[in-house]
Amino acid sequence: QKEVEQNSGPLSVPEGAIASLNCTYSDRGSQSFFWYRQYSGKSPELIMFIYSNGDKEDGRFTAQLNKASQYVSLLIRDSQPSDSATYLCAVLNDMRFGAGTRLTVKP
Amino acid sequence: DAGVTQSPTHLIKTRGQQVTLRCSPKSGHDTVSWYQQALGQGPQFIFQYYEEEERQRGNFPDRFSGHQFPNYSSELNVNALLLGDSALYLCASSLVGGAFDNEQFFGPGTRLTVL
Repeated sequence: QKEVEQNSGPLSVPEGAIASLNCTYSDRGSQSFFWYRQYSGKSPELIMFIYSNGDKEDGRFTAQLNKASQYVSLLIRDSQPSDSATYLCAVLNDMRFGAGTRLTVKP
Repeated sequence: DAGVTQSPTHLIKTRGQQVTLRCSPKSGHDTVSWYQQALGQGPQFIFQYYEEEERQRGNFPDRFSGHQFPNYSSELNVNALLLGDSALYLCASSLVGGAFDNEQFFGPGTRLTVL
């Protein structure tokens, strides 16, 4: 059974801090990894994706992938209250999502 | 650039009834995937349509069926509704064969309540 695991949280960080969101996956053959943000009552919104080992940066967001450890993470720098949402990790070549980590950024 | 659209926004049905949900993909996209998201859970993959054929299917019973039309829009049909079918149904579109062919964009979803 292919799985995508995330800590459900909630994860609480103060405004301006770095939020670190983690995800592990079970299928060693997984190729593509995506992070989505979902505000309460809304649909998921694509933040970024990563295919290769290492870091990928996009503005305040950095995705990190370690295929040997089957681990992918999302760092949010200078966290803002507007970043408060559930963050979903997805392995789309397996069509699987994690259950999401709820992030709260406190002013 | 029109994004993914879904209709209706909300729907209330009773057990045993049938429902049809509709989705139009993002302009330029040719593939539609359907997901079910229960409260507090991640999206669960139902099936994916490409070239009017079901390309992949998740672990959902045959009560869930779909269709894709020549204009790439899609329908999700659920027969013999159960209380457990109450969820947010999400449609996602993507472009197969593109450089990142798994990149999926979601529509606003249809909230289905089964009483």
